[in-house]
Amino acid sequence: DVVLTQSPLSLPVTLGQPASISCRSSQSLVYSDGNTYLNWFQQRPGQSPRRLIYKVSNRDSGVPDRFSGSGSGTDFTLKISRVEAEDVGVYYCMQGTHWPPTFGQGTKVEIK
Amino acid sequence: QVQLVGSGGGVVQPGRSLRLSCAASGFTFSNYGMHWVRQAPGKGLEWVAVIWYDGSNKYYADSVKGRFTVSRDNSKNTLYLQMNSLRAEDTAVYYCARDVGIGVSDPDVWGQGTLVTVSS
Repeated sequence: DVVLTQSPLSLPVTLGQPASISCRSSQSLVYSDGNTYLNWFQQRPGQSPRRLIYKVSNRDSGVPDRFSGSGSGTDFTLKISRVEAEDVGVYYCMQGTHWPPTFGQGTKVEIK
Repeated sequence: QVQLVGSGGGVVQPGRSLRLSCAASGFTFSNYGMHWVRQAPGKGLEWVAVIWYDGSNKYYADSVKGRFTVSRDNSKNTLYLQMNSLRAEDTAVYYCARDVGIGVSDPDVWGQGTLVTVSS
């Protein structure tokens, strides 16, 4: 199975400051159609996961533009340009290119 | 709007069975594959199973293969997960999620989750 390794696992951030989460894959996530199926999910406390970013860098509808995704091949990053209080939660990367789909361990974002 | 509502969770003894349901609305259910993903208390997300839009293909995580069965009734817009021979390590919140991928896994919308507790 593809292993996704996130870092850091815990990320204390000051309100208004940027935050960055890394997700590294044990193999390339480029699919035969040329797309890379690497998604980012946000899970606020007590809530279900919500997809923020799909195919590396595409924001889902309603996702604030302070969230951005980048990367290629095996290295990917989720960035929050200015952290707000509502961004507290756990963030997961997920790959759908290879079977079975797998998730990173999660990164807990909290306010300092 | 797209909505997925899970139900059927509860407390069950080891070795017993339970069936989860996921009622879909706000989209054409029969056009989409569907996933089950679980989350043990305080832990991360673990993919469990997927079923194709027409039920023709089903795939399972090794941890549940042979014990869990995913199915769907497109006439009722409902997804199911039959869980047999339950173990303590199956204790988790189970989420259903719609898949928008073609040949890949791409879950977009998730349900609210239903808690399964396996304990004697």
